[in-house]
Amino acid sequence: KNQVEQSPQSLIILEGKNCTLQCNYTVSPFSNLRWYKQDTGRGPVSLTIMTFSENTKSNGRYTATLDADTKQSSLHITASQLSDSASYICVVSKTSYDKVIFGPGTSLSVIP
Amino acid sequence: DAGVIQSPRHEVTEMGQEVTLRCKPISGHNSLFWYRQTMMRGLELLIYFNNNVPIDDSGMPEDRFSAKMPNASFSTLKIQPSEPRDSAVYFCASSLERALQFFGPGTRLTVL
Repeated sequence: KNQVEQSPQSLIILEGKNCTLQCNYTVSPFSNLRWYKQDTGRGPVSLTIMTFSENTKSNGRYTATLDADTKQSSLHITASQLSDSASYICVVSKTSYDKVIFGPGTSLSVIP
Repeated sequence: DAGVIQSPRHEVTEMGQEVTLRCKPISGHNSLFWYRQTMMRGLELLIYFNNNVPIDDSGMPEDRFSAKMPNASFSTLKIQPSEPRDSAVYFCASSLERALQFFGPGTRLTVL
C-alpha cells in the first residue's frame, strides 16, 4: 500500500534551536519527494523537491535529506524562528505525471 | 506575477445548492491541480490537468464533483448538489511540467 508517514505528529521547540522532522514512505514506483510548509489558513508552500538520485537539498535554513534505499527523508531546520511555526508536509510523487501522496504533516510550534 | 488566484475565498451555502470554485493558474504553467484539505483526511488530490486535459481524476469523490479547464488560464471545480461532508478547504495549484507546485490561497467551503 502506498503510504507516507511523518513523525513526530507535533513538536514544540524554543526559538533558536534546531529540529529534525522525519518522513517514511512506502510509495512505489518513486518519482520525487517534496517538503511543504503550510501556515495556518494558507496554502502549502514548496520548500524542497528531490528525485531518487539526490541525497540532500537546502533552502536557506531548511535542509532536506533523502535515502531512497530505506525510503526515508528528513527536514532539518536550523536556528528556528517564530515564523517557522507551521505544519510541514511530506509529499511523495508516485509517477512521472505527479500523482502525489501526502503525509499527515508535522505541526511545529516555535516559542520564544 | 500574482501567483495562483482562487475565488471565492470563502463560500457558505446550504445543502443541495450548486457550488462553483474558480482558479487562475500562474501564467505559463501547464499543469493544474485541485486539492481538498480537511482535518480528518489532510490534503487529497482531486484531479490533475496537463495542457488543459484531465489526466487523473481518480481522486474525485463522486459524480457530484466535476472539474473543467476550458483554457490555460482558467479552471472550475463544481459540486452539485453540495452536502455538509463537502465542507473543506479547496486548493488549486499549478506547476510547469514536474517542477514545484505553487498553491493558491484556497477556498474555504462550508455547506450547512
